[in-house]
Amino acid sequence: DAKTTQPNSMESNEEEPVHLPCNHSTISGTDYIHWYRQLPSQGPEYVIHGLTSNVNNRMASLAIAEDRKSSTLILHRATLRDAAVYYCIPSGGSNYKLTFGKGTLLTVNP
Amino acid sequence: GAVVSQHPSWVICKSGTSVKIECRSLDFQATTMFWYRQFPKQSLMLMATSNEGSKATYEQGVEKDKFLINHASLTLSTLTVTSAHPEDSSFYICSARELGRAALRYNSPLHFGNGTRLTVT
Repeated sequence: DAKTTQPNSMESNEEEPVHLPCNHSTISGTDYIHWYRQLPSQGPEYVIHGLTSNVNNRMASLAIAEDRKSSTLILHRATLRDAAVYYCIPSGGSNYKLTFGKGTLLTVNP
Repeated sequence: GAVVSQHPSWVICKSGTSVKIECRSLDFQATTMFWYRQFPKQSLMLMATSNEGSKATYEQGVEKDKFLINHASLTLSTLTVTSAHPEDSSFYICSARELGRAALRYNSPLHFGNGTRLTVT
């Protein structure tokens, strides 16, 4: 499994953008970069995933470095409901399991 | 969107008894489901991969005779914690990936249940 490094925690103010970084320098060429988040006492929720190109959906944007060794999840306007632990997970190809690291605990201040 | 329903959401049982947790994909079919366990303030730990119509694949260190997994249909997987002990108290979470979409099969998102809080007294 590719090893990931994420900040333990980050803080943001409501309605401001948030950039959550992830390093995955050992990612394989066929792995997608998945992002999930987990609110307290709930199961994880899919946020976004991508391979090489930047991706956008209604929840967030994913910026992937050209060498694919890092990526950044972008929440354009944080809300209080975005407070959660965010996990960056390389996965795909023959390794279709999702192995969760420690993630980043995002706190959103009103 | 795809929904995974997990039942019960919480359960309290006495030490030595068995507990069954159900995981259902409500509006899609899944040949593969995954079972995770999460202790307080820790990340999710993958326990096993549940395969429809065949035996589950357990991660290293997970006792297959203690955590029985049955994946009898394309929409249902069950996890039975046998002879539960207080150290088995945890948050158990299942997930499933949609069947089909062949080109993205190994990269389509996982859909997670809302978890089952097991407390063994």
